[in-house]
Amino acid sequence: DGGITQSPKYLFRKEGQNVTLSCEQNLNHDAMYWYRQDPGQGLRLIYYSQIVNDFQKGDIAEGYSVSREKKESFPLTVTSAQKNPTAFYLCASTPAHGQPQHFGDGTRLSIL
Amino acid sequence: GENVEQHPSTLSVQEGDSAVIKCTYSDSASNYFPWYKQELGKRPQLIIDIRSNVGEKKDQRIAVTLNKTAKHFSLHITETQPEDSAVYFCAASLRAAGNKLTFGGGTRVLVKP
Repeated sequence: DGGITQSPKYLFRKEGQNVTLSCEQNLNHDAMYWYRQDPGQGLRLIYYSQIVNDFQKGDIAEGYSVSREKKESFPLTVTSAQKNPTAFYLCASTPAHGQPQHFGDGTRLSIL
Repeated sequence: GENVEQHPSTLSVQEGDSAVIKCTYSDSASNYFPWYKQELGKRPQLIIDIRSNVGEKKDQRIAVTLNKTAKHFSLHITETQPEDSAVYFCAASLRAAGNKLTFGGGTRVLVKP
């Protein structure tokens, strides 16, 4: 069954801790994206990657880091520099021709 | 960069009536405009999209119109049903900018039975 898998579904971060959110896709999509959604708000782009070993900052990249070592995987690390990490994080991917984007089920991150 | 504004932020309609949500975008080079429906706690799901070479697209009770000159596009839902209640997001994308989506702020639609 093809799709985008995000894990964990819920994650708690302690003060000063880095946490990593997983995003895996078996759709053979080239491009992958990370969005942040705050309660009652739209989605904002954190990072995106159009090809393996390459990624670009989105609109709110500060306090986050990513890697794209494999086509199937695009993990997001929320670093201790991100002072307000509580949000719903959504990963998406698209085929080479660009659209449409399909989303994973998301990870809800909270601060302990 | 691109900026997308969405109105209204909330919309309450009687079952069977129509609902219309409007979005404006700032970058005239944007060429792809999807609409997503998001239920509480769930992921956004694509319901319809339109490309800049088309003025209108329809899929059963849902239609999208695009006015490139005015830089706005709209979602029309006819014969609304209670299961249409959700938050709807518009977005704009530019292929030359990595196909990244810029989202509107969302419209919470409530269909009253």
